[in-house]
Amino acid sequence: QQQVKQSPQSLIVQKGGISIINCAYENTAFDYFPWYQQFPGKGPALLIAIRPDVSEKKEGRFTISFNKSAKQFSLHIMDSQPGDSATYFCAASPNYGQNFVFGPGTRLSVLP
Amino acid sequence: DAGVTQSPTHLIKTRGQHVTLRCSPISGHKSVSWYQQVLGQGPQFIFQYYEKEERGRGNFPDRFSARQFPNYSSELNVNALLLGDSALYLCASSLEPIQDNEQFFGPGTRLTVL
Repeated sequence: QQQVKQSPQSLIVQKGGISIINCAYENTAFDYFPWYQQFPGKGPALLIAIRPDVSEKKEGRFTISFNKSAKQFSLHIMDSQPGDSATYFCAASPNYGQNFVFGPGTRLSVLP
Repeated sequence: DAGVTQSPTHLIKTRGQHVTLRCSPISGHKSVSWYQQVLGQGPQFIFQYYEKEERGRGNFPDRFSARQFPNYSSELNVNALLLGDSALYLCASSLEPIQDNEQFFGPGTRLTVL
């Protein structure tokens, strides 16, 4: 019940295309859902986060869509750029702290 | 301002040994969390400390322990190392252990157990 499932495992997108990564969870105690971006040799960095009281949040080219009833959320990267090539992790945190549960990651490659 | 720093960068140990990893949080941050990231997987939560008190513990054996010092830096100790402990160990700091306070991750310590 503590798991966060993430798909696809890897994704190849052409420059200018839309990258979509999906995540699903079971634990209804999760109420904070961040996405992290990790480049090789670096620690993860927060990209965007959402709470379940909203269905969508947009920051620049990055959008989170959230479906509370389905317990699913997704990251959309519009106008994908080669610099977006990295591993993306969805995560979830219960309402009592920062003990984040991470998904297994999606390796995104954006072709020039 | 310096980000989260971790030392050492890389470490090679043999089975049965113990290891100490160190983390210095961003100045002003009082909460430190430790994560284990096995190659090809997402980080797994190990510990969270706030104001020198343990605030959370993940599903890791008692061989793993940690502490936070008065200057908010932290150590992660692992005893009786196993091959499966080989991973990238990440430290993250935040102002307080509140979800909306962004966690900033360090570059990690790469531990290899032979």
